[in-house]
Amino acid sequence: AQKVTQAQTEISVVEKEDVTLDCVYETRDTTYYLFWYKQPPSGELVFLIRRNSFDEQNEISGRYSWNFQKSTSSFNFTITASQVVDSAVYFCALSEAPRSGGYQKVTFGTGTKLQVIP
Amino acid sequence: DAGVTQSPTHLIKTRGQHVTLRCSPISGHKSVSWYQQVLGQGPQFIFQYYEKEERGRGNFPDRFSARQFPNYSSELNVNALLLGDSALYLCASSFRGEDTEAFFGQGTRLTVV
Repeated sequence: AQKVTQAQTEISVVEKEDVTLDCVYETRDTTYYLFWYKQPPSGELVFLIRRNSFDEQNEISGRYSWNFQKSTSSFNFTITASQVVDSAVYFCALSEAPRSGGYQKVTFGTGTKLQVIP
Repeated sequence: DAGVTQSPTHLIKTRGQHVTLRCSPISGHKSVSWYQQVLGQGPQFIFQYYEKEERGRGNFPDRFSARQFPNYSSELNVNALLLGDSALYLCASSFRGEDTEAFFGQGTRLTVV
């Protein structure tokens, strides 16, 4: 069974501080995908990043960076110089490898609510 | 291009009633997935449809059903509504079912009273 744990329920930071959101996952699959999504108050899930299990390179995109470590089953997300617009709920998700016929189940964590205070 | 559109945006129903939620995927996308997000939780997978066929189903009772139409739009139906069905229902579309990037709509907020 797949499981995603986001232990941090809520985080508050002051604008311009750096913040790291933790994600720990469990899976028996050797091939899988990890995601981060942002959910602003409007409700839709905004895709941020996808990482496959064979690519452990860290990635940086502007103020966002991701640290994938298979040894600890973690896929942490860091926002540098946080801004008020970063306030949202952030979800880490795990997807098994696509099965024949296109079925692919995605398992989400419970989310971390980030509040950036001006 | 329009993104994933869902209707209605908000809905209030009474226990025991039936509800139909609708989703139009991004133009060219052939796969639609449905998720239920209870307040304070992450989305839970309900169904995935690809080329009008059900390709996957989550751990939900038979009161939940869905279908996909020839234009790839989709409906999620819930019968005999319970208070616990109150949630945000999200639709996601992708080009193919096995794509690892899905685009989500803004959801339908269902309240059962």
